[in-house]
Amino acid sequence: QKEVEQDPGPLSVPEGAIVSLNCTYSNSAFQYFMWYRQYSRKGPELLMYTYSSGNKEDGRFTAQVDKSSKYISLFIRDSQPSDSATYLCAMSLNTNAGKSTFGDGTTLTVKP
Amino acid sequence: DGGITQSPKYLFRKEGQNVTLSCEQNLNHDAMYWYRQDPGQGLRLIYYSQIVNDFQKGDIAEGYSVSREKKESFPLTVTSAQKNPTAFYLCASKHQGGTFPEAFFGQGTRLTVV
Repeated sequence: QKEVEQDPGPLSVPEGAIVSLNCTYSNSAFQYFMWYRQYSRKGPELLMYTYSSGNKEDGRFTAQVDKSSKYISLFIRDSQPSDSATYLCAMSLNTNAGKSTFGDGTTLTVKP
Repeated sequence: DGGITQSPKYLFRKEGQNVTLSCEQNLNHDAMYWYRQDPGQGLRLIYYSQIVNDFQKGDIAEGYSVSREKKESFPLTVTSAQKNPTAFYLCASKHQGGTFPEAFFGQGTRLTVV
């Protein structure tokens, strides 16, 4: 079993929809939870990160972490065609230079 | 501008050849990483280095080799021992310590065996 499992997708929604992207994990020692966005044929870029449990909001994006359930989510409100990309969740134990563990990604298409 | 530069963007390899992918960063990051990404899959760690002249194997190191002679550079060699090297290769770097866990990625090298 993988340490991080991500809803596989693909996901296709109409413009303006609310999107929910989800990951579960098995290692209770993870402290940092990140969401990366990757456009086709490009490198991933960090969208948001959260330390420990709780919510974090940035514009149309909200990251949610529930450590008791080992479950994280990314919500996108008022989705736009420019949000069409692959979204990768990632987790790490700390901010030292150790490795992060990535989910397999969910590909989202927002149709105009 | 600070960032990570990977070259080349596209690379073609013949069967039995070794090829080297370049990764350079000017972010003054101590840690650097190489990932492999196959279609529909996430990132799998090949090698990482937290300090010059030291590196560790990741989850899929077989058939790959690296060096870290300079802080700014972390080249990856795909050897002939790697049986299925066609993939998208991503290099990343990260600041050590602090409160910010972000890894910065290059734009990738797409390697194809011909």
